[in-house]
Amino acid sequence: GAVVSQHPSRVICKSGTSVKIECRSLDFQATTMFWYRQFPKQSLMLMATSNEGSKATYEQGVEKDKFLINHASLTLSTLTVASAHPEDSSFYICSAADIHDTGYTFGSGTRLTVV
Amino acid sequence: AQSVTQLGSHVSVSEGALVLLRCNYSSSVPPYLFWYVQYPNQGLQLLLKYTSAATLVKGINGFEAEFKKSETSFHLTKPSAHMSDAAEYFCAVSDRVTGGGNKLTFGTGTQLKVEL
Repeated sequence: GAVVSQHPSRVICKSGTSVKIECRSLDFQATTMFWYRQFPKQSLMLMATSNEGSKATYEQGVEKDKFLINHASLTLSTLTVASAHPEDSSFYICSAADIHDTGYTFGSGTRLTVV
Repeated sequence: AQSVTQLGSHVSVSEGALVLLRCNYSSSVPPYLFWYVQYPNQGLQLLLKYTSAATLVKGINGFEAEFKKSETSFHLTKPSAHMSDAAEYFCAVSDRVTGGGNKLTFGTGTQLKVEL
């Protein structure tokens, strides 16, 4: 079946540094990828929709200058948390929509801790 | 706008008992509905999806769900709970299933606990 690889699974960084998270569709092409943020014991909050070769569409209230999304190819999207602060600590999950199939495949998530 | 309501943030069942997780949706267009399972510190795994074909959908791990338009519901069931079913379950809705990129709207989730 479809597989989405997300790296790293865990990252601890110092406040003020930037962190990049990668999301790769391993065996299918994904014209669209989604980035979610999940707080403890809560549902997934969509941050942005990433389309290959174009600018990401951010949800209301999400700072596009802080959460930089790049979707340079049909199999790779990256989320960079710029100048991270402790309040950015969270679980980030990506998902990809297969252009030839139905449904959405999720990555395994990244636990970001900013100290 | 679409929305999903999951009744019961926590459900507890005995091992071997019926599992019933409730999901009601609201959509202005014919919906596509999904159930996902999430284990701690992991991403979401698709259990099953409704794509306007059969209203009774069978998924992985013995789960199934029935789409009832008149009740705007898509409840998830499993005849006999197993300890390994303990996890967080999310119902989600989309107005398109194929890779056109329509976003999913998630419910708030239901934590399933299975007791001996």
